[in-house]
Amino acid sequence: AQSVTQLDSQVPVFEEAPVELRCNYSSSVSVYLFWYVQYPNQGLQLLLKYLSGSTLVKGINGFEAEFNKSQTSFHLRKPSVHISDTAEYFCAVTQVGYGNKLVFGAGTILRVKS
Amino acid sequence: NAGVMQNPRHLVRRRGQEARLRCSPMKGHSHVYWYRQLPEEGLKFMVYLQKENIIDESGMPKERFSAEFPKEGPSILRIQQVVRGDSAAYFCASSPGTSGGAYNEQFFGPGTRLTVL
Repeated sequence: AQSVTQLDSQVPVFEEAPVELRCNYSSSVSVYLFWYVQYPNQGLQLLLKYLSGSTLVKGINGFEAEFNKSQTSFHLRKPSVHISDTAEYFCAVTQVGYGNKLVFGAGTILRVKS
Repeated sequence: NAGVMQNPRHLVRRRGQEARLRCSPMKGHSHVYWYRQLPEEGLKFMVYLQKENIIDESGMPKERFSAEFPKEGPSILRIQQVVRGDSAAYFCASSPGTSGGAYNEQFFGPGTRLTVL
C-alpha cells in the first residue's frame, strides 16, 4: 500500500518570494507521482506529474517538482509566487500498472500575501 | 470537449434520507473513479468503475454506499440513510482507460458538496 505525507498543512509566503511545498511518499512498488491544485469550491487541476525519465518535472503556472527516489520525496517549487497561487495543493501517488487509483496527501494550503 | 460533469453541485439531506450523486465522464472516457474529501482532509479513494463493472471498491464503506456505471448514462454514487459523518465533498474523475503499465490521466469534476442536517 502507498501513503503520502505532506509535511506542512499551511505555508504563508509573500508575493514574489520562492516557495517549496514538501511531499514524501511510502511505497514498496514503483509509483507515479502528481501534484494537484484545488481552488476554493472547485475540483482538482493537475499541475504536473512524474511518470519516468528526468527527475525534474515542469508543470503549469511556473511550478516544478523534483523526484528523489532515495529520499522518497517529490517536493513542489516555484521561484516566484503570485497572489493567484493561493490555493490548496495535493501530492498524490499511484501504483504503476494497477488501476491508477490515486492516494492523496492531506494537502498544503499556500497563502500568498501582498 | 466538455469536462467531467457532476450534479448536483450542492446537496442537502436530512439524516436518514438517501443521496444520489451523478457523474458524467468526459466524452470517450470509459473509466470513472469516486473520491471523498472530508473537511480538513485530502481526497480518499472510494471506488473505480468501468462501464457496467466495479473494478475496485476497496475504499467504499461496507454499508449504505453503492456505485454503478451503467452502459448508458452517468455514474451514480448512492448513499442510503445518510448520517452527519457523510457530509463531505464527493469528487468524480474519469480517464480513457488503462493499458498495462501505461498511465491514463484522471480528469476531475467540480465535486458535489453533501451536507447532512
